[in-house]
Amino acid sequence: SYELTQPPSVSVSPGQTASITCSGDKLGDKYACWYQQKPGQSPVLVIYQDTKRPSGIPERFSGSNSGNTATLTISGTQAMDEADYYCQAWNNSTVVFGGGTKLTVL
Amino acid sequence: EVQLVESGGDLVKPGGSLRLSCAASRFNFSSYSFNWVRQAPGKGLEWVSSISSSSSYIYYADSVKGRFTISRDNAKNSLYLQMNSLRAEDTAVYYCARERRMTTDGMDVWGQGTTVTVSS
Repeated sequence: SYELTQPPSVSVSPGQTASITCSGDKLGDKYACWYQQKPGQSPVLVIYQDTKRPSGIPERFSGSNSGNTATLTISGTQAMDEADYYCQAWNNSTVVFGGGTKLTVL
Repeated sequence: EVQLVESGGDLVKPGGSLRLSCAASRFNFSSYSFNWVRQAPGKGLEWVSSISSSSSYIYYADSVKGRFTISRDNAKNSLYLQMNSLRAEDTAVYYCARERRMTTDGMDVWGQGTTVTVSS
C-alpha cells in the first residue's frame, strides 16, 4: 500500500522558517495537501494542489511538491503555528495521510 | 457560516453497529464530494471512506471494507456512515470533511467530530 512519510517532530525558533517534508513514491506526480491540527480541534486545510492556500490562510504558509517529496514551509513562524501537521494525497482511489509532524515553536 | 455537524457517536460493544450522520448547512451540498476520516486517541488521521457528489464513486480503506457503508442524501444535505461488525480498533473520533473535487482539492471544511468507542 502507498505510504507518506513525515518526520515525527520539527522544532523552530519564533520568526524563523520551518520546513516539514512528506515523502512518497512519485509523490510529485500527485497533488499534495497539508492540514494543521491544534490540540482538541479539527484539522484545517492550509495547502492544497501542492502550492495553493485556501482563503484565510496566512501567506507565511507555502508548499512545493517535486520528485518524491512535498514540503510545507512556514516563513516567520509564530507561536500560534505550533500544531500537528499532516500531508495527504490520493493514490489509486484511496486517500493517504502522512503520519503527522509535531511542530514545536521554541 | 459553512458548517458540518456530525452525530451518532456512542459506546458500543464489539460486533455491534452504529450509524453516523453529518449534517451540512450554508453551502451547495450536492456539489461536493465527502470523506469520513477518523483519529484514534493520541494517533494521527486515518482516512475511512469517500463518496462523490452524485454517489457514482465510493471508496473505502481496506481496514473497513465490507463492514462500513458510506451514503448520502442530497435532498437532506446529509452524509452517513453505517458501521457494522465494530472492533476495538475502530475506536476513534470520526470526522466528516468536504472536498470540492475528489483527488485534487483537499478537504476544506471539517466537522467537529463524533466519538465512537468500541468496548465490552
